[in-house]
Amino acid sequence: EAQVTQNPRYLITVTGKKLTVTCSQNMNHEYMSWYRQDPGLGLRQIYYSMNVEVTDKGDVPEGYKVSRKEKRNFPLILESPSPNQTSLYFCASRGPLRVNTEAFFGQGTRLTVV
Amino acid sequence: AQSVTQPDIHITVSEGASLELRCNYSYGATPYLFWYVQSPGQGLQLLLKYFSGDTLVQGIKGFEAEFKRSQSSFNLRKPSVHWSDAAEYFCAVGARSNDYKLSFGAGTTVTVRA
Repeated sequence: EAQVTQNPRYLITVTGKKLTVTCSQNMNHEYMSWYRQDPGLGLRQIYYSMNVEVTDKGDVPEGYKVSRKEKRNFPLILESPSPNQTSLYFCASRGPLRVNTEAFFGQGTRLTVV
Repeated sequence: AQSVTQPDIHITVSEGASLELRCNYSYGATPYLFWYVQSPGQGLQLLLKYFSGDTLVQGIKGFEAEFKRSQSSFNLRKPSVHWSDAAEYFCAVGARSNDYKLSFGAGTTVTVRA
């Protein structure tokens, strides 16, 4: 079954304590992205990756890091989380849009930073 | 850069009534267009997509959408809603010149009353 798996689903942490949210896909997709969802703002892209070792900033990259060492994995790293990073995070993977593909999303990670 | 506007933040509809959700995009050429649905506590699921060809697109769960180039719109419709259609709906646009980026609207929350 085609899927994108995020872990953990829920996380409460304290300000400044480094954390990593993992994302893995089993569809051999080139593209992977991280989004955050906030009320009234929809989904905003944090970082994306077009392939292994190729990553770039999205619309709201401040305070986040990513890496793409393997095609299937795309972890999101918060080196020093702050309360304004409390949000619902989604990982997505897909092929290129031009080949009539769709984005597959993980179940989401609800992060609370206190 | 492309952008998406969903003018309605929240819509309430009676079960069995018709539903139309509006989506307007900004992009200089014909975009790739998508509608996703997010049920409470879930990730995003693709309802339908437009890449080219017939401007009336059929999707899952009885939804359809129509691409109108002259109005830069891609409105989603369903003739008769079911209680299970209560969810948040997101319109998204992808650019043909910029394959990596998928931009989302702020979302429309649909409440279904009995």
